[in-house]
Amino acid sequence: EAQVTQNPRYLITVTGKKLTVTCSQNMNHEYMSWYRQDPGLGLRQIYYSMNVEVTDKGDVPEGYKVSRKEKRNFPLILESPSPNQTSLYFCASSLEGTSGSYEQFFGPGTRLTVL
Amino acid sequence: SQQGEEDPQALSIQEGENATMNCSYKTSINNLQWYRQNSGRGLVHLILIRSNEREKHSGRLRVTLDTSKKSSSLLITASRAADTASYFCATDAGDVDSNYQLIWGAGTKLIIKP
Repeated sequence: EAQVTQNPRYLITVTGKKLTVTCSQNMNHEYMSWYRQDPGLGLRQIYYSMNVEVTDKGDVPEGYKVSRKEKRNFPLILESPSPNQTSLYFCASSLEGTSGSYEQFFGPGTRLTVL
Repeated sequence: SQQGEEDPQALSIQEGENATMNCSYKTSINNLQWYRQNSGRGLVHLILIRSNEREKHSGRLRVTLDTSKKSSSLLITASRAADTASYFCATDAGDVDSNYQLIWGAGTKLIIKP
């Protein structure tokens, strides 16, 4: 089954404790992306990757890191989480990312709480 | 940056009625997409409409695009309880050198009353 998986689905952590949210897709998609969703703010893009070893900042990259060493995986790293990073996070992938030409497939989301 | 803005923010209708949601955007675009999100879950793609298209259908969904007004509408006909969800439009960043981002509106929350 074609899908995007994220882990963990729920996470409660404390300020400053490094964490990684994994994202994996099995569709051989070139483009992958991380979003955060906060009430009233819609989806805001954190980072995206056009292909292996090619990443770029989205609209809200501060406090986050990503890597794309393999095509299928795109982990999101919070080196020192802070309470303002409490949010619902989504990973998404598409065949490619130019000009919004292809639909994005979303993972189920990771609800992160930073105390 | 927020490109698309949905209108209304919330909509409550009776089952069987039609629901119309609107999306306005600010810059020229190549493509516009509509997505549905059930509460707290991942978004699901509904329709993609290209800038040279004016209307597109998929089952009970009808999307229109008016590039002169920089707006799009999503019509759901004969609504069902299962259509209760939030609906988002997303556009590309238009005529820029690096156009790899989808830009999202804040969404319309649709409630279908039985």
